[in-house]
Amino acid sequence: EAQVTQNPRYLITVTGKKLTVTCSQNMNHEYMSWYRQDPGLGLRQIYYSMNVEVTDKGDVPEGYKVSRKEKRNFPLILESPSPNQTSLYFCASNTVGQPQHFGDGTRLSIL
Amino acid sequence: SQQGEEDPQALSIQEGENATMNCSYKTSINNLQWYRQNSGRGLVHLILIRSNEREKHSGRLRVTLDTSKKSSSLLITASRAADTASYFCATDAETGGFKTIFGAGTRLFVKA
Repeated sequence: EAQVTQNPRYLITVTGKKLTVTCSQNMNHEYMSWYRQDPGLGLRQIYYSMNVEVTDKGDVPEGYKVSRKEKRNFPLILESPSPNQTSLYFCASNTVGQPQHFGDGTRLSIL
Repeated sequence: SQQGEEDPQALSIQEGENATMNCSYKTSINNLQWYRQNSGRGLVHLILIRSNEREKHSGRLRVTLDTSKKSSSLLITASRAADTASYFCATDAETGGFKTIFGAGTRLFVKA
């Protein structure tokens, strides 16, 4: 089954404790993206990747890092999380010119 | 910065009525996509319309695109209670890179 898998689905943690949200897709897509969703703001793109070892900033990259060492994986790293990064996060993948497939989301709470 | 902006922010209709949502954007685009989201779940793609297309249909969904006005509309005909969800437009900019910009969404509530 074609899917985008995010882990964990839920996480409560504390300020400053490094965390990684994993994302994996099994559709051999070149493009992958991370978004955060906050009430009233829709989805905002954090980072995207056009292929292995090719990443670029979206609209809200501050406080986040990503890597794309393999085509299927695109982890999101919060080196020193802060409460303003409490949000619902989505990973998505697609091939060029085609719609995105989304994961089920990761709800992060940073205290 | 937000590119796509949906209108209205919220819409409440009776089952069987049609629902129309509008989206405006600011820059030239390659394509425009509509997605649906049920209550905090992942987004599901509905329709993608390319910049050289004016109208597209899929079942009860009809999407129009007016690039001169930088706007799009999503029409859901004969709505059902199961259509209750948030609907988002998203644009892929024509400029280099792969930035996708989503609007804030329209919350649709269909009363049975």
